[in-house]
Amino acid sequence: DTEVTQTPKHLVMGMTNKKSLKCEQHMGHRAMYWYKQKAKKPPELMFVYSYEKLSINESVPSRFSPECPNSSLLNLHLHALQPEDSALYLCASSQLAGVKNEQFFGPGTRLTVL
Amino acid sequence: GESVGLHLPTLSVQEGDNSIINCAYSNSASDYFIWYKQESGKGPQFIIDIRSNMDKRQGQRVTVLLNKTVKHLSLQIAATQPGDSAVYFCAEKAGNYGQNFVFGPGTRLSVLP
Repeated sequence: DTEVTQTPKHLVMGMTNKKSLKCEQHMGHRAMYWYKQKAKKPPELMFVYSYEKLSINESVPSRFSPECPNSSLLNLHLHALQPEDSALYLCASSQLAGVKNEQFFGPGTRLTVL
Repeated sequence: GESVGLHLPTLSVQEGDNSIINCAYSNSASDYFIWYKQESGKGPQFIIDIRSNMDKRQGQRVTVLLNKTVKHLSLQIAATQPGDSAVYFCAEKAGNYGQNFVFGPGTRLSVLP
């Protein structure tokens, strides 16, 4: 299984809502990532988890709260978002070290904040 | 700051011709590079990678060239097909245990019939 799955595919939420994005992989990867991608722009790294611990937070606002319950799952909890947070949110996973560090991406969650 | 950039934001090629997509990087410590293809509505898809101890790597219809002297990376696609139309990103990573991948701005490849 070389697939990263993300749910939901689409999400529309108001600025006062609380929602969560979910990501899952079963490749045994111990690094998992959240990226944000605006239209016609490259993915921008938000968070990295290594061995289920947060290792990189790219100065992301606290209205985004990541969680890694186990080595296969990654969540992104959303609260009090702003319209400018509307974007494609991509999850990825990779081996932590070694020769092959390629990241496998999920299809993303298209988020719209009203 | 350190960044990965591309020389051309858009590229149009005739079907059957070869495509060359370029990428410039500025972090001399980067030792691993990946080319991704992203089709509309999908996540980035791995195409090919190269480590800094190599100059060239070939895959199926694709070749990546790395010139560390001028910090330049290119992706060559042979016999470009309509299915190759997408946005192509290069990404770099510094260090064997680093996890911070930096993406370039992307090049949109359009294949003309």
